[in-house]
Amino acid sequence: GAGVSQSPSNKVTEKGKDVELRCDPISGHTALYWYRQSLGQGLEFLIYFQGNSAPDKSGLPSDRFSAERTGGSVSTLTIQRTQQEDSAVYLCASRIAGGTDTQYFGPGTRLTVL
Amino acid sequence: AQSVTQLGSHVSVSEGALVLLRCNYSSSVPPYLFWYVQYPNQGLQLLLKYTSAATLVKGINGFEAEFKKSETSFHLTKPSAHMSDAAEYFCAVSEGFQKLVFGTGTRLLVSP
Repeated sequence: GAGVSQSPSNKVTEKGKDVELRCDPISGHTALYWYRQSLGQGLEFLIYFQGNSAPDKSGLPSDRFSAERTGGSVSTLTIQRTQQEDSAVYLCASRIAGGTDTQYFGPGTRLTVL
Repeated sequence: AQSVTQLGSHVSVSEGALVLLRCNYSSSVPPYLFWYVQYPNQGLQLLLKYTSAATLVKGINGFEAEFKKSETSFHLTKPSAHMSDAAEYFCAVSEGFQKLVFGTGTRLLVSP
């Protein structure tokens, strides 16, 4: 595709519900990242997938957060038992390979937990 | 761990004036440095990046940044601001091959 796409663009949910956020990276990009952008915390790294290697989950804030990447392409970020502090914009990025290559960002999913 | 400091959460300039957005980094190894721009309700767009080649890096929309190792800085400049430059700007450092560490962002306001 032309760029990284994310769905939904907006999600409103009630506290305690589970949500799934989807990311479609640029075709051929082997690396995929999730970041969170919130007023209080700025832009934070959440998780990183690279090919078939075990993902780097070091940025996930709690065990309510999980992510998977199927077939080396689409990724889903799942938040269980959502809390109000989970309200943020969740950004996905993908990269071809190599440390100098650019991370290309999607438009984000704005999550609001009521 | 690497870190980035952006001085000034807001910078205001007049149209046609010089734009200077400051970024200082902390790194124990030669860093890769990036400037991204975010327009309202949009994702991040790369303006330019430093990857240990030329220290003066030119980017899109007339922006450039200079890597100064002695000052651990990577300030973003543009000679003449345009109204369309109003946005939020993020400096970031690459930590290994795994993630970007971002500064807190600087909102650029451009007045006519």
